[in-house]
Amino acid sequence: NAGVTQTPKFRILKIGQSMTLQCTQDMNHNYMYWYRQDPGMGLKLIYYSVGAGITDKGEVPNGYNVSRSTTEDFPLRLELAAPSQTSVYFCASRPTANTGELFFGEGSRLTVL
Amino acid sequence: DQQVKQNSPSLSVQEGRISILNCDYTNSMFDYFLWYKKYPAEGPTFLISISSIKDKNEDGRFTVFLNKSAKHLSLHIVPSQPGDSAVYFCAAKSDYKLSFGAGTTVTVRA
Repeated sequence: NAGVTQTPKFRILKIGQSMTLQCTQDMNHNYMYWYRQDPGMGLKLIYYSVGAGITDKGEVPNGYNVSRSTTEDFPLRLELAAPSQTSVYFCASRPTANTGELFFGEGSRLTVL
Repeated sequence: DQQVKQNSPSLSVQEGRISILNCDYTNSMFDYFLWYKKYPAEGPTFLISISSIKDKNEDGRFTVFLNKSAKHLSLHIVPSQPGDSAVYFCAAKSDYKLSFGAGTTVTVRA
């Protein structure tokens, strides 16, 4: 079972470049999330989606955009990359009615130089 | 404004002894609390959860205790094993979203 798949696993960007982190899940989960993890700071919610066509901002949305055209895919777009966006990004999903258990991808490590 | 706090960044415990991880929260609207475990270069994985209407939930070596009046929860691991060495995140759910603590790194010594 693939679960939640993120690509790429590693990427180095120059300041001002743009890129898209891809996230796909094969569990037919309605809810999907993007988090970033900075050292000593835990996981901060960037954006989330409760279904195809519906997205909403989390705690730290500035500098990012998302779309949800299908149940399976939830890409995260970085526009005009900045050093402050250097982080490890995790995509996660969960079914509609559960206790909150998230299924995470393996993460994408992004460095902006 | 951090709604979920883990004030101990690290914990070292001897193999076979108990590990106790603590977590405090501020939002009374959280309806579920969860613990996740994370190894290096991997995504977090779900460990155990507890409903806000319960005060204890047990799953094998892992037990979570919830004290609503103190807005405090803890995770007990008994006995601790070398494979338990990881980062543990406390999380709390409100509506669609989960808020996470900063994590506690547990090291189990032989």
